[in-house]
Amino acid sequence: EPEVTQTPSHQVTQMGQEVILRCVPISNHLYFYWYRQILGQKVEFLVSFYNNEISEKSEIFDDQFSVERPDGSNFTLKIRSTKLEDSAMYFCASSELGRSNEQFFGPGTRLTVL
Amino acid sequence: RKEVEQDPGPFNVPEGATVAFNCTYSNSASQSFFWYRQDCRKEPKLLMSVYSSGNEDGRFTAQLNRASQYISLLIRDSKLSDSATYLCVVSANFGNEKLTFGTGTRLTIIP
Repeated sequence: EPEVTQTPSHQVTQMGQEVILRCVPISNHLYFYWYRQILGQKVEFLVSFYNNEISEKSEIFDDQFSVERPDGSNFTLKIRSTKLEDSAMYFCASSELGRSNEQFFGPGTRLTVL
Repeated sequence: RKEVEQDPGPFNVPEGATVAFNCTYSNSASQSFFWYRQDCRKEPKLLMSVYSSGNEDGRFTAQLNRASQYISLLIRDSKLSDSATYLCVVSANFGNEKLTFGTGTRLTIIP
């Protein structure tokens, strides 16, 4: 069964450093998403991406964040200057083009900012 | 008011019992509804979409009440492997839109 993959599984970084989280969506999916989940809290939407541009972004997704599809398979989330409060699980998801909006999630990257 | 509201639990239920979860949502324009399950420190996994007419998938039954803005999930003959956090999820449109998650209801099945 096709699945979304993410690397790394765990990233530890110092405050102020840049991090890039990587995702490989399901191959025939056209919509890509990033969500985050702070420990003990709910899953929160960050950004959606379609046709090489951002479709929608949340208030959380400020100028420190950017997304890119550098090639035909990868989808990346970059945080330019990490803060302590960026520590969370970051989930990538993808969905087919269509009405169902069923989104399938990757296993996540645990980001720890020290 | 929270966008998606769930009883956080925990629900501790004996194996074989039936358990029901409820969820309310605030945006009356919401069009798509889902139940996901999430195991500890894992990703959300789609359990089932919820349709207006209600739908069933094996031991799981989901219902939607648009007038009351209420979604339910019923698990029959619960198994130890059903222990997880169940997430109520809505989105504003049918298409490829952001998902809005509830905080989840934690279920533990007791042998």
